[in-house]
Amino acid sequence: DAGVIQSPRHEVTEMGQEVTLRCKPISGHDYLFWYRQTMMRGLELLIYFNNNVPIDDSGMPEDRFSAKMPNASFSTLKIQPSEPRDSAVYFCASSLHGTGAYEQYFGPGTRLTVT
Amino acid sequence: AQTVTQSQPEMSVQEAETVTLSCTYDTSESDYYLFWYKQPPSRQMILVIRQEAYKQQNATENRFSVNFQKAAKSFSLKISDSQLGDAAMYFCAYRREGGGADGLTFGKGTHLIIQP
Repeated sequence: DAGVIQSPRHEVTEMGQEVTLRCKPISGHDYLFWYRQTMMRGLELLIYFNNNVPIDDSGMPEDRFSAKMPNASFSTLKIQPSEPRDSAVYFCASSLHGTGAYEQYFGPGTRLTVT
Repeated sequence: AQTVTQSQPEMSVQEAETVTLSCTYDTSESDYYLFWYKQPPSRQMILVIRQEAYKQQNATENRFSVNFQKAAKSFSLKISDSQLGDAAMYFCAYRREGGGADGLTFGKGTHLIIQP
């Protein structure tokens, strides 16, 4: 059974370029989360969706960041324009409503480097 | 807002020994969930163990167990018979109970070193 899939695993881009990170949640899961991990701030929630609808985007740092979930099996996180301070590991996670503690299962992450 | 504190940036233990990682949290909620995640060098986040706040019994998963002290808002992880594969960053995480599945609030992590 496939877990959460993220692509690309690594992304190196220049400042000012658009970056798109992709996520495929576990089949049947109805919640999807985007997190960012940096040395300074640790792991922080950016946004999450329920049944493809954004529920809480208060963690999105600024208007340069946007996320979409056009269907139950795909989500994107876009940064436009990218800046060096966006360099981080971005994780996608999914969970299933009704399964007790709503355990979140994480993808392998995308390491983004903006030069 | 909820906060999670891991006061030990790094811990070291001899292989086969027992180690305890500390975590405290702050919340005004009465119902919530607590988790420990492991992040090895591959950076994959792996769920180790979870605890429901309404349960008095401490959770156990094989060599991993927790000491949940609700009144003290403490949630420590004990790893027995430490193995080299346990070397990783360990994150404590909190999620409130609610109508939906809110995001997790994480601590800063503890780097666990296993000495052979």
